[in-house]
Amino acid sequence: EAGVTQFPSHSVIEKGQTVTLRCDPISGHDNLYWYRRVMGKEIKFLLHFVKESKQDESGMPNNRFLAERTGGTYSTLKVQPAELEDSGVYFCASSGRSYDYEQYFGPGTRLTVT
Amino acid sequence: RKEVEQDPGPFNVPEGATVAFNCTYSNSASQSFFWYRQDCRKEPKLLMSVYSSGNEDGRFTAQLNRASQYISLLIRDSKLSDSATYLCVVKGVTGGGNKLTFGTGTQLKVEL
Repeated sequence: EAGVTQFPSHSVIEKGQTVTLRCDPISGHDNLYWYRRVMGKEIKFLLHFVKESKQDESGMPNNRFLAERTGGTYSTLKVQPAELEDSGVYFCASSGRSYDYEQYFGPGTRLTVT
Repeated sequence: RKEVEQDPGPFNVPEGATVAFNCTYSNSASQSFFWYRQDCRKEPKLLMSVYSSGNEDGRFTAQLNRASQYISLLIRDSKLSDSATYLCVVKGVTGGGNKLTFGTGTQLKVEL
């Protein structure tokens, strides 16, 4: 069974540009999460989808970040316009239907904003 | 104050040593507790869940003290392959739900 995949693995963009990150969860997983780790800090929650609905977006830093999950399958996270402080590793995770199911993480997208 | 606090280390230990990591969490309403392992430039992977009764998985023992809001991980007979960052993780902190709250991680280096 394929795990969580993320694309791209790395992205280097200039301040003010737009970047879109993609996450493909494990097939059949209704729950999809985005997390972020900035340099020297802990991994922090951004938001949680249940199927195509945003269940919790309390961790989204500001309105430059837009997450979507059309059709309840893959998800995209767009940053527009990117700022220097957006640099970090963006992880996606997915889990099955139950609250108690383990969250499986993807390999992450390393974003560098110059 | 951070919601989950860990000693960042690094802990440098010889192969075969026993090493213990500690973690505290601030929200007494937290519901579930875990240790994740993260190798350099890789994604976090679940190592084990942590229960009040204590649980063991081979060389790894995890313990939870709800009264003290304290979580521990003990690794016996350390192997070179145990070198990684160990993340203390709590679920159901602020507002409940499924989101995971991570500590900054404790780095372990097992040496020959």
